[in-house]
Amino acid sequence: AQSVAQPEDQVNVAEGNPLTVKCTYSVSGNPYLFWYVQYPNRGLQFLLKYITGDNLVKGSYGFEAEFNKSQTSFHLKKPSALVSDSALYFCAVRGGQNRDDKIIFGKGTRLHILP
Amino acid sequence: GAVVSQHPSRVICKSGTSVKIECRSLDFQATTMFWYRQFPKQSLMLMATSNEGSKATYEQGVEKDKFLINHASLTLSTLTVTSAHPEDSSFYICSARVPTVNQPQHFGDGTRLSIL
Repeated sequence: AQSVAQPEDQVNVAEGNPLTVKCTYSVSGNPYLFWYVQYPNRGLQFLLKYITGDNLVKGSYGFEAEFNKSQTSFHLKKPSALVSDSALYFCAVRGGQNRDDKIIFGKGTRLHILP
Repeated sequence: GAVVSQHPSRVICKSGTSVKIECRSLDFQATTMFWYRQFPKQSLMLMATSNEGSKATYEQGVEKDKFLINHASLTLSTLTVTSAHPEDSSFYICSARVPTVNQPQHFGDGTRLSIL
């Protein structure tokens, strides 16, 4: 069965510092991995995805994520945090080749960027 | 980019009322749409998968007679919460996927449903 874990409920980072939001996954076959961000009372916005190719994926708003197959991880990173990055971040995984396979979301990590 | 529009954004109504939420894919055709429910400070719970032209597939524990889903066209899916009660109050989010396996799901902005 597919699963995704976000071990941190909340991450606090000072503005200007690098940030990391952790994600590990379990899936049979090749994983399709995604990061989404949610602002208050809004839906989810797509940030980036890993399908195949380079392990370092670049996405929106300066975010990037590194796929590590041996550690089954897909941590979200940004070199220099902004206060406006404060939001709820979800990691998601879809396994298999069937396009009808469902996306499984992690429980979310709340990111607080401190001015 | 792919845009999903969800309407209304907020509903406040009395107990016993039925509420319809619309989800539209504005610039692509979505054979599959998804309906989620999100409780405060929690992740998204998949309620059902909506398939154009056929019956929706409900997740275990979701009452299909309570949450009616219709996907009548390639750009519109609706969720009707029938005879809503206060425990149905929640944030409902729809999502649609561009119909190729490598594409992400795109989300509407959600509907805050408050049943008095």
